[in-house]
Amino acid sequence: GENVEQHPSTLSVQEGDSAVIKCTYSDSASNYFPWYKQELGKRPQLIIDIRSNVGEKKDQRIAVTLNKTAKHFSLHITETQPEDSAVYFCAASPQTGANNLFFGTGTRLTVIP
Amino acid sequence: KAGVTQTPRYLIKTRGQQVTLSCSPISGHRSVSWYQQTPGQGLQFLFEYFSETQRNKGNFPGRFSGRQFSNSRSEMNVSTLELGDSALYLCASSLGTVNEQFFGPGTRLTVL
Repeated sequence: GENVEQHPSTLSVQEGDSAVIKCTYSDSASNYFPWYKQELGKRPQLIIDIRSNVGEKKDQRIAVTLNKTAKHFSLHITETQPEDSAVYFCAASPQTGANNLFFGTGTRLTVIP
Repeated sequence: KAGVTQTPRYLIKTRGQQVTLSCSPISGHRSVSWYQQTPGQGLQFLFEYFSETQRNKGNFPGRFSGRQFSNSRSEMNVSTLELGDSALYLCASSLGTVNEQFFGPGTRLTVL
């Protein structure tokens, strides 16, 4: 089955700096890669996703890059704000249209004001 | 549109009992997936239902089962509860033909 590794497990940045979280996956058939943000005591929220036919996707301060050859993808947050503090999860789905996500272990991001 | 809802939000059971959790997807969504979240194992996929049929299954014992009704609402059942089943159980709904999943608030299950 798919195995997703995520690094780092914790990340502290100063407000206004950039944050980068990296994930690798094992199944070359995986073709959908979402990122979720989970604040304490709340549900995971989809913040951005990318499909295997695209190398990069951006939404305001958030961007995701995908390298299919190396089987890794990354989340980039620019101009971080205190409200970006949360746990971020990457995930991979090995089937088009199916909804069986394999998650990374999460990154706790702390943005220091 | 209303979001994904789950009931109950909190549940306390004792070992050996069984429990049923409910999930109502976003209107129009036909796929419901269930996940278990624990501090030690993270988020793990349990199973997915699409149009009342189990479409995918994770690596959990047969004590974990589910079903989906014609209105796309889904239930998850855990029989013979063990202490290790204490977790946050999340469901996520999707149209089913594309991958975007939206999570409910979860049911926090505590097994004593």
